[in-house]
Amino acid sequence: QVQLKESGPGLVQPSQTLSLTCTVSGFSLTSYNVHWVRQPPGKGLEWMGVIWSGGNTDYNSALKPRLSISRDTSKSQVFLTMNSLQTEDTGIYYCKGSVYWGQGVMVTVSS
Amino acid sequence: DIVMTQGALPNPVPSGESASITCQSSKSLLHSNGKTYLNWYLQRPGQSPQFLIYWMSTRASGVSDRFSGSGSGTDFTLKISRVEAEDVGVYYCQQDLEFPRTFGAGTKLELK
Repeated sequence: QVQLKESGPGLVQPSQTLSLTCTVSGFSLTSYNVHWVRQPPGKGLEWMGVIWSGGNTDYNSALKPRLSISRDTSKSQVFLTMNSLQTEDTGIYYCKGSVYWGQGVMVTVSS
Repeated sequence: DIVMTQGALPNPVPSGESASITCQSSKSLLHSNGKTYLNWYLQRPGQSPQFLIYWMSTRASGVSDRFSGSGSGTDFTLKISRVEAEDVGVYYCQQDLEFPRTFGAGTKLELK
């Protein structure tokens, strides 16, 4: 059974760095691409970036200067790191692989 | 960036009736391989999005055949037949052709 689960701090201070983990089960990271998508409260979906099965990455150009996606295939984990957080980065962060989405993790940027 | 524009539904939709959601892209999503890279998702209240359709008209595994996708290179329609309570939520189209992947703003379906 395929599952993805996001984890990370619920609260981040402005200007600080966000670190999230997506732990997958039921499939190999070397066979499937994993995307990160976020959703501000009450708003629509924004694609952030992807780490391909081969390990390469692509990013939303609007976020690229602040965003990094990496992985540890031995642990079946994908990592998202984004720096210089602002209040507009508040929202639910999802990872998705193939047709499956994680439950999402709520991140609030506030002092 | 490719802009995705979704139409609204005449909510609420009577139970058992059909509903059609439109989506338009600012650029053709037809690839040279013949596939059209347009996805549809449903986000039920309080849940993460669920994959419904990819390549414009191919249903994801386990998705009811009441959902069907159609269209051309830039104009797309998601049709929901015999609307049920479990269909309530926000529907998103997404282009899967170019970076950055972009979503429509969403179309809300409410049930009467």
